[in-house]
Parts: sequence; C-alpha cells; structure tokens
Amino acid sequence: DSGVTQTPKHLITATGQRVTLRCSPRSGDLSVYWYQQSLDQGLQFLIQYYNGEERAKGNILERFSAQQFPDLHSELNLSSLELGDSALYFCASSVSVNTGELFFGEGSRLTVL
Amino acid sequence: QQPVQSPQAVILREGEDAVINCSSSKALYSVHWYRQKHGEAPVFLMILLKGGEQKGHDKISASFNEKKQQSSLYLTASQLSYSGTYFCGTEDVDSGGGADGLTFGKGTHLIIQP
Repeated sequence: DSGVTQTPKHLITATGQRVTLRCSPRSGDLSVYWYQQSLDQGLQFLIQYYNGEERAKGNILERFSAQQFPDLHSELNLSSLELGDSALYFCASSVSVNTGELFFGEGSRLTVL
Repeated sequence: QQPVQSPQAVILREGEDAVINCSSSKALYSVHWYRQKHGEAPVFLMILLKGGEQKGHDKISASFNEKKQQSSLYLTASQLSYSGTYFCGTEDVDSGGGADGLTFGKGTHLIIQP
C-alpha cells in the first residue's frame, strides 16, 4: 500500500460524457502527478500540482483539466470523452516539488464505450 | 521526448541475469527506474543523477552514462518476484531537475520462469 488513494477504481461511460477522477496523496506529500497508461504508449505524464499550484504540464489534452484543493487532494476532469481516452489513469505523489520518488496509487481504469 | 527501452521483452529462467537498457536523445539530468507487476501500480526502484553514479540494492543495480545519455538496469540471479514490467523515467538537463514530471519509456516486460 503506497498510501495514495484513487477513486473510482473502475469507470465505464459513453462517448461525449464527462468524468472526474479523484486522488488523495500520501500524508505529508505536497506534489501530485497524473499519468495516463495505455497499452501502446506506456505511462504518459499529464500534469503536476504542488501545494495547490500547477507546476508542470505534459501531454494533457485541452478536454482534460485538473486541480489540487487546499486539503491537497486532486481531481482530474475528463470531458467530451472519446474511445481513445480509455486507459488506466494513475495518480502519484511525492514530498517535494522536484521529481523524487513517486508513490503511485492503484489507478482508475476508464472505459469509454 | 520518450526514452527508448530495450529489449521490449525478455524471458529468463530463475537464477539468470538480465540487463534492461534505456536511452534518450536528450542530455539527461536523472534517470528513474520503476517496476510494475500485472494489475498493480508502478513501484519505485531507484534514481540515478548525472555523474555516472551506479546504485543498487539487493541484486538489482543500475548505471547511468550521462555522456551516452543511457542507463542500464542489472538484475542478477533473477528471482520469480522480479517478473513485471520495468520502466525508466527521465528528466532532461533542460528541466534542470525541476518539476517537469518524468517521461517514461514504453517498458520492458520481464518474465522469470522457474
């Protein structure tokens, strides 16, 4: 158990819909990262927040957005869903703003039908 | 830019050694190694910073050749528990070790057979 909690574990929805994935980082960790994992692309970095502020952006689509709240939990919002958005979405946390050891949650598996 | 890992997959007998390579077209600041077992989250193995430092714990070690922008992960006397997918993640020098997230390779699938 990494200490990072993600909900929901599984989500099935239709194209065009919007979903929200939630992540609670390890106690004391201020950085939250979101990654997308698909079979052909591996782990793709989406976005990082540190202590409520956006710190880095990766290959995140405009249809996706995220935020980190004052209690440090984070949400990833995916809208206008397409079939290709089906993937495993991981949240990871770390203590500092720099990329040290990442602690990954168990992921949220999104299936878009 | 995504680092390139090789081989894509390897099957070994228990007790054999394995080497997994990770190379980048960019000058690297650090290389991170993770292992992911099927259906589980990736788990941190080690970080190597530029300077050619070699690290290891137990029978898993890694090297980092910053001039060649390459890192190698060495698994000696492999155990059944080593099975999984190994990912390298890189930070390039341009990010200066700052918070730009890790760029992961596509992974190397390692299967250890009894």
